[in-house]
Amino acid sequence: GAGVSQSPSNKVTEKGKDVELRCDPISGHTALYWYRQSLGQGLEFLIYFQGNSAPDKSGLPSDRFSAERTGGSVSTLTIQRTQQEDSAVYLCASARGINEQYFGPGTRLTVT
Amino acid sequence: AQSVTQLGSHVSVSEGALVLLRCNYSSSVPPYLFWYVQYPNQGLQLLLKYTSAATLVKGINGFEAEFKKSETSFHLTKPSAHMSDAAEYFCAVSATGFQKLVFGTGTRLLVSP
Repeated sequence: GAGVSQSPSNKVTEKGKDVELRCDPISGHTALYWYRQSLGQGLEFLIYFQGNSAPDKSGLPSDRFSAERTGGSVSTLTIQRTQQEDSAVYLCASARGINEQYFGPGTRLTVT
Repeated sequence: AQSVTQLGSHVSVSEGALVLLRCNYSSSVPPYLFWYVQYPNQGLQLLLKYTSAATLVKGINGFEAEFKKSETSFHLTKPSAHMSDAAEYFCAVSATGFQKLVFGTGTRLLVSP
């Protein structure tokens, strides 16, 4: 079946602009995760949604970052007033059973 | 809290040689451990996982890993490297199956003919 999809695949934005990154999880997966991959910081957890529970936002680096998941499916990660240090690959993963996180191809964000 | 240390940012092997990628973990609770592979410009693909069912775990593409509690290690091995194995490999740990993954810094595997 279809895997996790993310859009756009690449995004170039000017410093100070807002961006939205989208994640479509695998159908039926109740858990959804966002991670960030950057040269300086490696792979970092950002936020986790599980069903109707309150999301685990413990990895969000600042209040400029937010995410929502509508209808238990699609998720959007929003970065407000982007900074150059936000440049990274943003990876989304979804899971149904325990331990099985399936990753999307990522969105490469470049802030100029 | 959980953490993972991967020794060696780069490992070079010849085609047909043994692959050994090292991973040591720290966890305050029995861990769930994973190895993921990332090919250039792609997402992460799960190679194998340890969830306490068996200490020797076999994964895809001929890879396997052994959980050693006494050494807090979960090293990844493959008996014979193939050119297509060239990629970046990440070890990860979580406290439970549904929690966030904490990743190591990754090891880039280079395979020469």
